[in-house]
Amino acid sequence: GQQVMQIPQYQHVQEGEDFTTYCNSSTTLSNIQWYKQRPGGHPVFLIQLVKSGEVKKQKRLTFQFGEAKKNSSLHITATQTTDVGTYFCAGQLIGAAGNKLTFGGGTRVLVKP
Amino acid sequence: GAVVSQHPSWVICKSGTSVKIECRSLDFQATTMFWYRQFPKQSLMLMATSNEGSKATYEQGVEKDKFLINHASLTLSTLTVTSAHPEDSSFYICSATPDRVTEAFFGQGTRLTVV
Repeated sequence: GQQVMQIPQYQHVQEGEDFTTYCNSSTTLSNIQWYKQRPGGHPVFLIQLVKSGEVKKQKRLTFQFGEAKKNSSLHITATQTTDVGTYFCAGQLIGAAGNKLTFGGGTRVLVKP
Repeated sequence: GAVVSQHPSWVICKSGTSVKIECRSLDFQATTMFWYRQFPKQSLMLMATSNEGSKATYEQGVEKDKFLINHASLTLSTLTVTSAHPEDSSFYICSATPDRVTEAFFGQGTRLTVV
């Protein structure tokens, strides 16, 4: 079945530094979505990427979808303590019903002040 | 944005008993809802797709007789963990997406502890 791998599993970042988390799917995706889950909370939608090679920015967050629509990345610049949480990518297969998603393992981000 | 409400937020039950978890879409109708299970510091594992008015679609390896799903209306899906055992202890979370919307909206999750 479809697998979505995400690296790194953990990311310890000094406040103010940049980091990137990577997501790879075993199959071509219809779209990829990114979610953030704060400790003790539920996942909250960040963004969706649909087009091959698409790049989207949200303030300090830059999301990219690979040309083959099988990989994606999230880059955060000037990390802040509010960025703490787990970032999940979630892939949707072509033809998948509703919003059926396969989640990556997540990158748990800890920020050192 | 859309709101998905899940109840209860936490529950402790004895081994052998059954527990029902509710997932409601408060301001939209959802013909499809999804149930996930999340172990501590791990990802969300899709358990099943809840379909309004028809049987749920279970992912491989998920026991449908143990995790009963009912989607009787366009705003409510329930997950019943039957004959619960300590290994069923986990964080269960549902999601739904309104029509013509991209993102999945998640309930607050239910932390189940079986003692």
